[in-house]
Amino acid sequence: EAGVAQSPRYKIIEKRQSVAFWCNPISGHATLYWYQQILGQGPKLLIQFQNNGVVDDSQLPKDRFSAERLKGVDSTLKIQPAKLEDSAVYLCASSFTSYEQYFGPGTRLTVT
Amino acid sequence: GNSVTQMEGPVTLSEEAFLTINCTYTATGYPSLFWYVQYPGEGLQLLLKATKADDKGSNKGFEATYRKETTSFHLEKGSVQVSDSAVYFCALADSNYQLIWGAGTKLIIKP
Repeated sequence: EAGVAQSPRYKIIEKRQSVAFWCNPISGHATLYWYQQILGQGPKLLIQFQNNGVVDDSQLPKDRFSAERLKGVDSTLKIQPAKLEDSAVYLCASSFTSYEQYFGPGTRLTVT
Repeated sequence: GNSVTQMEGPVTLSEEAFLTINCTYTATGYPSLFWYVQYPGEGLQLLLKATKADDKGSNKGFEATYRKETTSFHLEKGSVQVSDSAVYFCALADSNYQLIWGAGTKLIIKP
């Protein structure tokens, strides 16, 4: 079974630029999550999708972050414009019906 | 609200030592409990889980028992290896299928 795929793995941008991350969940997983993980901390949930609907985006900074999940499969997370404090690893995870989440390798973003 | 507290790191041990990483939680009801591991430069991997009181999760020589009376889910391993060096996260799942995370404990194993 293929795991959660994410791209790119690394990205370096300047502040005020925009960036997008892509996630392909495990086939058949209805729930998809985006997390932000700052170095030395636990993951922080940004947004949770159930199929192509948003379940929770209460911690997503909506003035600069956006996410979509078209057709209930792949998802993209966008930051525009980026700030220095957005430097982090962005993790995508998916789950089927249980509480068990499967994580992708993450995208390490550096904003200079 | 729900929360998870785990011991601060780093925890430094010699190879073949006994490991305990403490984790306690606050939650309404009886949430599922998890330990995830993050090896350097990699994403999070589920290490083990327990879904009800007195359940014992185990994997790769690691164990943790769901203790309702002490609201704990401590991670243990009888003999650690250098390859166990990683960051370990304790987490609970709430009713919305969301994970509440501890801050993580960095484990360093010296040969």
